[in-house]
Amino acid sequence: EDKVVQSPLSLVVHEGDTVTLNCSYEVTNFRSLLWYKQEKKAPTFLFMLTSSGIEKKSGRLSSILDKKELSSILNITATQTGDSAIYLCASNAGTYKYIFGTGTRLKVLA
Amino acid sequence: DGGITQSPKYLFRKEGQNVTLSCEQNLNHDAMYWYRQDPGQGLRLIYYSQIVNDFQKGDIAEGYSVSREKKESFPLTVTSAQKNPTAFYLCASSIAVGKRGIRNQPQHFGDGTRLSIL
Repeated sequence: EDKVVQSPLSLVVHEGDTVTLNCSYEVTNFRSLLWYKQEKKAPTFLFMLTSSGIEKKSGRLSSILDKKELSSILNITATQTGDSAIYLCASNAGTYKYIFGTGTRLKVLA
Repeated sequence: DGGITQSPKYLFRKEGQNVTLSCEQNLNHDAMYWYRQDPGQGLRLIYYSQIVNDFQKGDIAEGYSVSREKKESFPLTVTSAQKNPTAFYLCASSIAVGKRGIRNQPQHFGDGTRLSIL
């Protein structure tokens, strides 16, 4: 059965800290790995990764895929209270098949 | 601005009642999806549609029905057969995979509808 596992489930840090969120996947027809940020409502798209070892960056956020280890990490540097959210990882495992992890709930304290 | 609009934001269902959640997109996306999100669980796929007048069951379709009469609209009906409907429902859309050589596409999500039982 295809699955995506995220860790940790929740995390509390202070502003300015750096955090690393983990995502591992087991899918039979892997096509890409996606990261989303969900505050209170709609998940918003952060990154899509298809190739190992190529880091994608957007401001203080960055992500990389390791296809050998079947995993990905999302790094957030110099965290701010606005980074508080649930971070979702998903694997595109077929034409219209997206397998989501349970998410990591991040809380950044001022 | 282009986007996905879900309505209502909050919905209450009485026992034995069918309720319909609306999802409209103006992104010109071919593919649309319905997910259910429960606390401590990932998003689970209810139904998806690749093109107008066609839709496929996802992992948890029982107790739900959909229609896709227009490209922009993909309403979800939660029927009385769904015994545990309390959840957060998310609609999403994406460019159709395979169209113009596109293989991988991120999904764009609406703001969700929170459904509760009265």
